[in-house]
Amino acid sequence: DAKTTQPPSMDCAEGRAANLPCNHSTISGNEYVYWYRQIHSQGPQYIIHGLKNNETNEMASLIITEDRKSSTLILPHATLRDTAVYYCIVRADNYGQNFVFGPGTRLSVLP
Amino acid sequence: GAVVSQHPSWVICKSGTSVKIECRSLDFQATTMFWYRQFPKQSLMLMATSNEGSKATYEQGVEKDKFLINHASLTLSTLTVTSAHPEDSSFYICSAIKAGEGNTEAFFGQGTRLTVV
Repeated sequence: DAKTTQPPSMDCAEGRAANLPCNHSTISGNEYVYWYRQIHSQGPQYIIHGLKNNETNEMASLIITEDRKSSTLILPHATLRDTAVYYCIVRADNYGQNFVFGPGTRLSVLP
Repeated sequence: GAVVSQHPSWVICKSGTSVKIECRSLDFQATTMFWYRQFPKQSLMLMATSNEGSKATYEQGVEKDKFLINHASLTLSTLTVTSAHPEDSSFYICSAIKAGEGNTEAFFGQGTRLTVV
């Protein structure tokens, strides 16, 4: 079973920041937080991952709370192409450990 | 970034026939690959973990004799749906992790849409 909880859906205005929350209150010390997104009828696309420090890349920022029980994915300037299902996944850093997908959050970016 | 390619992207087959789906890591080696299945409006569900040179590990409820997995090299895993039936119609997705790297993202293929008629 997925170890994360996400809202089922969110809307965001085009050009504004999209903040997607994720709860992972049972996360273990060796588990990372990964974010993927899936645009309709495509395979999941990697966005970002982190352990405890905040991370930023060209796609997004990941903010992890100090107790690591929750995190927020931030898309700084959402575009219509960011409309997708976003998955928050916790995964141990053991090679071969699979990625368990929950229902995710369906983000709709509105014009 | 690393690329995982699936072939075919879509396939239609008759009930009772078998279909093979290929998953290739194009620019890296993958000791482990994963196969998922996704039904409409649902999330990805792990079917099996494919290990190069050894037998695949199947999730509970997934028939290993129906979904044959072969991981003959560090860049190729295949999933064969044997004696396909309409209920096997689904979106099949593979992913791969770079060999020797634990804390790393998985790279996903574009998926294969199987329709059994």
